[in-house]
Amino acid sequence: AQSVTQLGSHVSVSEGALVLLRCNYSSSVPPYLFWYVQYPNQGLQLLLKYTSAATLVKGINGFEAEFKKSETSFHLTKPSAHMSDAAEYFCAVSPQAAGNKLTFGGGTRVLVKP
Amino acid sequence: DTGVSQDPRHKITKRGQNVTFRCDPISEHNRLYWYRQTLGQGPEFLTYFQNEAQLEKSRLLSDRFSAERPKGSFSTLEIQRTEQGDSAMYLCASRGTGVNEQFFGPGTRLTVL
Repeated sequence: AQSVTQLGSHVSVSEGALVLLRCNYSSSVPPYLFWYVQYPNQGLQLLLKYTSAATLVKGINGFEAEFKKSETSFHLTKPSAHMSDAAEYFCAVSPQAAGNKLTFGGGTRVLVKP
Repeated sequence: DTGVSQDPRHKITKRGQNVTFRCDPISEHNRLYWYRQTLGQGPEFLTYFQNEAQLEKSRLLSDRFSAERPKGSFSTLEIQRTEQGDSAMYLCASRGTGVNEQFFGPGTRLTVL
Protein backbone atom coordinates (compact mmCIF):
# COMPACT_ATOMS: atom_id res chain seq x y z
CA ALA A 1 0.00 0.00 0.00
CA GLN A 2 1.13 3.52 -0.71
CA SER A 3 0.15 6.93 0.58
CA VAL A 4 1.28 10.54 0.24
CA THR A 5 1.00 13.39 2.72
CA GLN A 6 1.46 16.97 1.63
CA LEU A 7 1.92 19.32 4.56
CA GLY A 8 0.00 22.55 4.07
CA SER A 9 -2.95 22.78 1.73
CA HIS A 10 -2.13 26.43 1.00
CA VAL A 11 1.21 28.22 0.78
CA SER A 12 1.67 31.94 0.21
CA VAL A 13 5.03 33.29 -0.98
CA SER A 14 6.27 36.63 -2.18
CA GLU A 15 7.55 36.98 -5.72
CA GLY A 16 11.28 36.25 -5.68
CA ALA A 17 11.13 34.25 -2.44
CA LEU A 18 11.90 30.58 -1.94
CA VAL A 19 9.12 28.10 -2.67
CA LEU A 20 9.15 24.97 -0.48
CA LEU A 21 6.41 22.36 -0.76
CA ARG A 22 6.60 19.35 1.53
CA CYS A 23 5.79 15.76 0.58
CA ASN A 24 6.16 12.62 2.66
CA TYR A 25 5.31 9.21 1.35
CA SER A 26 4.70 5.71 2.61
CA SER A 27 5.43 2.72 0.42
CA SER A 28 5.94 -0.99 1.06
CA VAL A 29 7.96 -1.32 -2.16
CA PRO A 30 10.62 0.85 -3.81
CA PRO A 31 8.76 3.84 -5.15
CA TYR A 32 8.84 6.20 -8.05
CA LEU A 33 7.98 9.76 -6.99
CA PHE A 34 6.52 12.61 -9.01
CA TRP A 35 5.51 16.23 -8.71
CA TYR A 36 2.73 17.51 -10.95
CA VAL A 37 1.35 21.03 -11.38
CA GLN A 38 -2.28 21.83 -12.20
CA TYR A 39 -3.57 25.17 -13.43
CA PRO A 40 -7.29 25.96 -13.06
CA ASN A 41 -9.57 23.72 -15.13
CA GLN A 42 -6.64 21.93 -16.70
CA GLY A 43 -5.05 18.51 -16.46
CA LEU A 44 -1.81 17.70 -14.71
CA GLN A 45 1.62 18.58 -16.05
CA LEU A 46 4.71 16.73 -14.87
CA LEU A 47 7.29 18.94 -13.15
CA LEU A 48 9.83 16.27 -12.28
CA LYS A 49 10.23 12.63 -11.33
CA TYR A 50 12.45 10.38 -9.23
CA THR A 51 12.99 6.94 -10.73
CA SER A 52 15.84 5.55 -8.60
CA ALA A 53 18.69 7.35 -10.33
CA ALA A 54 20.00 10.62 -8.88
CA THR A 55 18.38 11.62 -5.60
CA LEU A 56 18.42 15.32 -6.52
CA VAL A 57 16.10 15.79 -9.43
CA LYS A 58 15.79 18.90 -11.56
CA GLY A 59 12.59 19.64 -13.39
CA ILE A 60 10.97 22.25 -15.56
CA ASN A 61 10.48 25.92 -14.67
CA GLY A 62 13.38 25.96 -12.20
CA PHE A 63 11.92 23.41 -9.77
CA GLU A 64 13.92 20.66 -8.10
CA ALA A 65 13.27 17.98 -5.50
CA GLU A 66 15.41 15.73 -3.36
CA PHE A 67 14.56 12.12 -2.56
CA LYS A 68 15.49 11.29 1.04
CA LYS A 69 14.82 7.64 1.78
CA SER A 70 15.65 7.92 5.48
CA GLU A 71 13.05 10.66 5.88
CA THR A 72 10.60 9.20 3.32
CA SER A 73 10.41 12.69 1.84
CA PHE A 74 10.42 14.28 -1.60
CA HIS A 75 10.14 18.02 -0.99
CA LEU A 76 9.84 20.42 -3.93
CA THR A 77 11.75 23.69 -4.05
CA LYS A 78 12.27 26.67 -6.31
CA PRO A 79 14.78 29.38 -5.30
CA SER A 80 12.79 32.34 -6.61
CA ALA A 81 9.01 32.37 -7.06
CA HIS A 82 7.44 33.88 -10.14
CA MET A 83 3.85 35.02 -10.53
CA SER A 84 3.31 32.23 -13.06
CA ASP A 85 4.04 29.64 -10.34
CA ALA A 86 0.62 30.26 -8.80
CA ALA A 87 -1.11 26.89 -9.22
CA GLU A 88 -1.88 23.67 -7.37
CA TYR A 89 0.92 21.17 -6.88
CA PHE A 90 0.51 17.44 -6.34
CA CYS A 91 3.04 14.94 -5.09
CA ALA A 92 2.46 11.35 -6.24
CA VAL A 93 3.96 7.92 -5.67
CA SER A 94 3.81 4.76 -7.72
CA PRO A 95 5.36 1.33 -7.32
CA GLN A 96 8.25 0.50 -9.60
CA ALA A 97 6.49 -2.73 -10.53
CA ALA A 98 3.98 -3.28 -13.30
CA GLY A 99 0.86 -1.15 -13.29
CA ASN A 100 2.42 1.99 -11.90
CA LYS A 101 -0.85 3.55 -10.83
CA LEU A 102 -0.31 6.88 -9.13
CA THR A 103 -1.34 7.64 -5.57
CA PHE A 104 -1.60 11.39 -5.05
CA GLY A 105 -1.39 13.66 -2.06
CA GLY A 106 -4.13 16.16 -1.32
CA GLY A 107 -2.33 18.99 -3.10
CA THR A 108 -0.85 22.34 -2.10
CA ARG A 109 -2.20 25.54 -3.59
CA VAL A 110 0.50 28.17 -4.08
CA LEU A 111 -0.31 31.87 -4.03
CA VAL A 112 2.38 34.27 -5.19
CA LYS A 113 2.18 37.82 -3.87
CA PRO A 114 3.71 40.67 -5.87
CA ASP B 1 2.72 14.70 -30.49
CA THR B 2 -0.92 15.69 -30.10
CA GLY B 3 -1.12 14.72 -26.43
CA VAL B 4 -3.97 13.05 -24.58
CA SER B 5 -7.40 14.37 -25.50
CA GLN B 6 -10.70 14.01 -23.68
CA ASP B 7 -14.23 14.66 -24.81
CA PRO B 8 -16.37 16.38 -23.70
CA ARG B 9 -14.52 18.92 -21.57
CA HIS B 10 -17.67 19.70 -19.60
CA LYS B 11 -20.85 17.74 -19.01
CA ILE B 12 -23.90 18.81 -17.05
CA THR B 13 -26.51 16.17 -16.46
CA LYS B 14 -29.49 15.45 -14.26
CA ARG B 15 -29.39 12.85 -11.54
CA GLY B 16 -30.31 9.44 -12.86
CA GLN B 17 -29.04 10.01 -16.39
CA ASN B 18 -26.25 8.02 -18.01
CA VAL B 19 -23.10 9.74 -19.26
CA THR B 20 -20.15 8.56 -21.34
CA PHE B 21 -16.71 10.13 -21.61
CA ARG B 22 -14.03 9.45 -24.18
CA CYS B 23 -10.25 9.50 -23.89
CA ASP B 24 -7.81 9.37 -26.79
CA PRO B 25 -4.30 8.57 -25.54
CA ILE B 26 -1.00 9.40 -27.19
CA SER B 27 -0.95 7.09 -30.18
CA GLU B 28 1.91 4.76 -29.29
CA HIS B 29 1.01 4.45 -25.60
CA ASN B 30 -0.22 1.01 -24.57
CA ARG B 31 -1.31 1.90 -21.02
CA LEU B 32 -4.31 4.06 -20.23
CA TYR B 33 -5.47 5.21 -16.80
CA TRP B 34 -8.62 6.86 -15.45
CA TYR B 35 -8.62 9.02 -12.32
CA ARG B 36 -11.30 11.03 -10.53
CA GLN B 37 -10.63 14.34 -8.84
CA THR B 38 -13.16 15.98 -6.54
CA LEU B 39 -12.95 19.63 -5.60
CA GLY B 40 -9.98 20.42 -3.39
CA GLN B 41 -8.60 16.88 -3.50
CA GLY B 42 -5.88 15.02 -5.33
CA PRO B 43 -6.80 12.65 -8.16
CA GLU B 44 -7.82 9.12 -7.17
CA PHE B 45 -7.13 6.06 -9.30
CA LEU B 46 -10.15 4.38 -10.89
CA THR B 47 -8.87 1.84 -13.40
CA TYR B 48 -6.20 1.09 -15.98
CA PHE B 49 -5.77 -0.77 -19.24
CA GLN B 50 -2.81 -2.36 -20.89
CA ASN B 51 -3.79 -2.45 -24.55
CA GLU B 52 -7.42 -3.65 -24.49
CA ALA B 53 -7.17 -5.56 -21.19
CA GLN B 54 -8.54 -3.91 -18.06
CA LEU B 55 -5.96 -5.00 -15.49
CA GLU B 56 -7.01 -3.22 -12.31
CA LYS B 57 -10.12 -1.55 -10.92
CA SER B 58 -10.35 0.53 -7.77
CA ARG B 59 -13.02 -0.12 -5.17
CA LEU B 60 -14.13 3.43 -6.02
CA LEU B 61 -15.43 2.03 -9.29
CA SER B 62 -18.94 0.98 -8.27
CA ASP B 63 -21.21 -1.20 -10.39
CA ARG B 64 -22.58 1.95 -12.02
CA PHE B 65 -19.19 2.64 -13.60
CA SER B 66 -17.81 0.78 -16.58
CA ALA B 67 -14.75 1.42 -18.71
CA GLU B 68 -13.73 -0.06 -22.02
CA ARG B 69 -10.84 0.11 -24.42
CA PRO B 70 -12.09 -2.13 -27.22
CA LYS B 71 -9.24 -1.89 -29.71
CA GLY B 72 -6.46 -0.83 -27.39
CA SER B 73 -6.65 2.74 -28.61
CA PHE B 74 -9.31 5.12 -27.24
CA SER B 75 -11.20 4.40 -24.04
CA THR B 76 -14.68 5.22 -22.77
CA LEU B 77 -15.87 5.63 -19.21
CA GLU B 78 -19.62 5.29 -18.66
CA ILE B 79 -21.51 6.20 -15.51
CA GLN B 80 -25.04 4.87 -15.25
CA ARG B 81 -27.77 6.40 -13.09
CA THR B 82 -25.59 9.35 -12.11
CA GLU B 83 -25.70 10.67 -8.54
CA GLN B 84 -24.72 14.09 -7.22
CA GLY B 85 -21.67 12.48 -5.61
CA ASP B 86 -20.37 11.64 -9.07
CA SER B 87 -19.71 15.33 -9.73
CA ALA B 88 -15.96 15.58 -10.26
CA MET B 89 -13.21 16.02 -12.81
CA TYR B 90 -12.48 12.76 -14.64
CA LEU B 91 -8.88 12.60 -15.81
CA CYS B 92 -7.36 10.25 -18.33
CA ALA B 93 -3.64 9.53 -18.64
CA SER B 94 -1.52 7.36 -20.89
CA ARG B 95 1.93 5.84 -20.65
CA GLY B 96 4.21 4.16 -23.13
CA THR B 97 6.31 1.03 -22.72
CA GLY B 98 9.54 1.68 -20.85
CA VAL B 99 8.43 5.16 -19.84
CA ASN B 100 7.84 5.93 -16.17
CA GLU B 101 5.61 8.97 -16.46
CA GLN B 102 1.94 9.33 -17.24
CA PHE B 103 0.73 12.07 -19.56
CA PHE B 104 -2.58 13.56 -18.56
CA GLY B 105 -5.42 14.91 -20.65
CA PRO B 106 -7.31 18.12 -19.82
CA GLY B 107 -10.08 16.23 -18.03
CA THR B 108 -13.87 16.09 -18.28
CA ARG B 109 -15.70 18.05 -15.62
CA LEU B 110 -19.00 16.39 -14.71
CA THR B 111 -21.73 18.25 -12.86
CA VAL B 112 -24.75 16.24 -11.71
CA LEU B 113 -27.76 18.38 -10.82
